[in-house]
Amino acid sequence: EGQLVESGGGLVQPGGSLRLSCAASGFIFSSYWMSWVRQAPGKGLEWVANIKEDGSEKSYVDSVKGRFTISRDNATNSLYLQMNTLRAEDTAVYYCARGNAGDSWGQGSLVIVSS
Amino acid sequence: DVVMTQSPLSLPVTLGQPASISCRSSQSLVHTDGNTYLSWFQQRPGQSPRRLIYTVSNRDSGVPDRFSGSGSGTDFTLKISRVEAEDVGVYYCMQGTHWPPITFGQGTRLEIK
Repeated sequence: EGQLVESGGGLVQPGGSLRLSCAASGFIFSSYWMSWVRQAPGKGLEWVANIKEDGSEKSYVDSVKGRFTISRDNATNSLYLQMNTLRAEDTAVYYCARGNAGDSWGQGSLVIVSS
Repeated sequence: DVVMTQSPLSLPVTLGQPASISCRSSQSLVHTDGNTYLSWFQQRPGQSPRRLIYTVSNRDSGVPDRFSGSGSGTDFTLKISRVEAEDVGVYYCMQGTHWPPITFGQGTRLEIK
């Protein structure tokens, strides 16, 4: 089934940066696309970014292009989301999910952008 | 971008009764490979989302058979044959055919009457 555990969330000021991590276990990480999906407080799900098995392809939702970078380290079974120039509207729980169809999700990491 | 529209947005259901959620896409979700990448997710209160259905009608492992998915092209439906208390939560459809971006419906909140 696989397990995903996010970390790195917290409170950050507008314009600041944060790096989220997702530790994968229980499956062959290097065989899967991986995604980040976020959920603003009381709102629905929004896909943020995804990355191919070998890291050669990456895609982003328009609202984060140029500010967020998705990456992975298959040697350590880790997925990352580097978030720069954060805005109040980036406040959300960020989930890592396996594949593009999200057959497994982490518990989420809360990011609050506020002064 | 493909817009996913769910209805209803709120669904009060009596225990043991059936429930149905509709999801419509702004364009056909049939991929050039012949598959239709439409999934359904359940998010119980305070929990992470959990996938229930993939490629329209395939149930994920461990999902009770009272959940079923159907549809084609632009119109899709999630049905619960007999609602149980543990089914309370928000249900989302998601398309993975035309991306980026992968897009979700607004969510349908199922509650017990």
